Amino acid sequence: QVQLVESGGGLVKPGGSLRLSCMASGFTFSDYYMSWIRQVPGKDLEWISYVSGTGTTIYYADSVRGRFIISRDNAKSSLSLEMNSLRAGDTAVYFCVRTITFGGVIPGSFDHWGQGAQVTVSS
Amino acid sequence: DIQMTQSPSSLSASVGDRVTITCQASQAIGNYLNWYQQKPGKAPNLLIYDASSLQTGVPSRFSGRGSGTDFTFTISSLQPEDFATYYCQQYYNLPLTFGGGTKVEIK
Repeated sequence: QVQLVESGGGLVKPGGSLRLSCMASGFTFSDYYMSWIRQVPGKDLEWISYVSGTGTTIYYADSVRGRFIISRDNAKSSLSLEMNSLRAGDTAVYFCVRTITFGGVIPGSFDHWGQGAQVTVSS
Repeated sequence: DIQMTQSPSSLSASVGDRVTITCQASQAIGNYLNWYQQKPGKAPNLLIYDASSLQTGVPSRFSGRGSGTDFTFTISSLQPEDFATYYCQQYYNLPLTFGGGTKVEIK
């Protein structure tokens, strides 16, 4: 069955950096777009980035563009999110999410989610 | 960005009740809308895609309809395991955006 397991969360000071990883199994990783979605507990879901199956197409939400970097290693079935210049507003649970595309190229729905990794930005 | 507005933000209902949640988009999005269920401490789970198509394995008491800017999500007969928060999400335009959620609580 599809499994997505995040790691790398933790407590970091404002301005610091953190790298999240996600190990995927149970499906052909390179066939799927992958996304990172975050959620402040009890609050809204915010989609922040996606990467295409080949890694050639990447998109970032305005809130993280220029600070976060998404990448994938298809040989290892892994997805990463490098987070730099972290702010208090980045505090959230970060989910690694398999993304179903519409027409093969447009991200559409999120059909499998990891358990989430807590990121806390605080001095 | 397309804003997704859900109502109500919370509701109380009893087992067996029919529950309807609405989601309004700030511009027309065709039928490019999904619905998710999230239980406390868990990740969201996709229930409905393309506004009205049931995801594999999802019980038929869940349904969705609508197009353009106005959408509804219905649970025909609320079950104990359905108490959760429900979110709509559009994929007409980037960035993909979610509604604020509707928490369904036990009356």
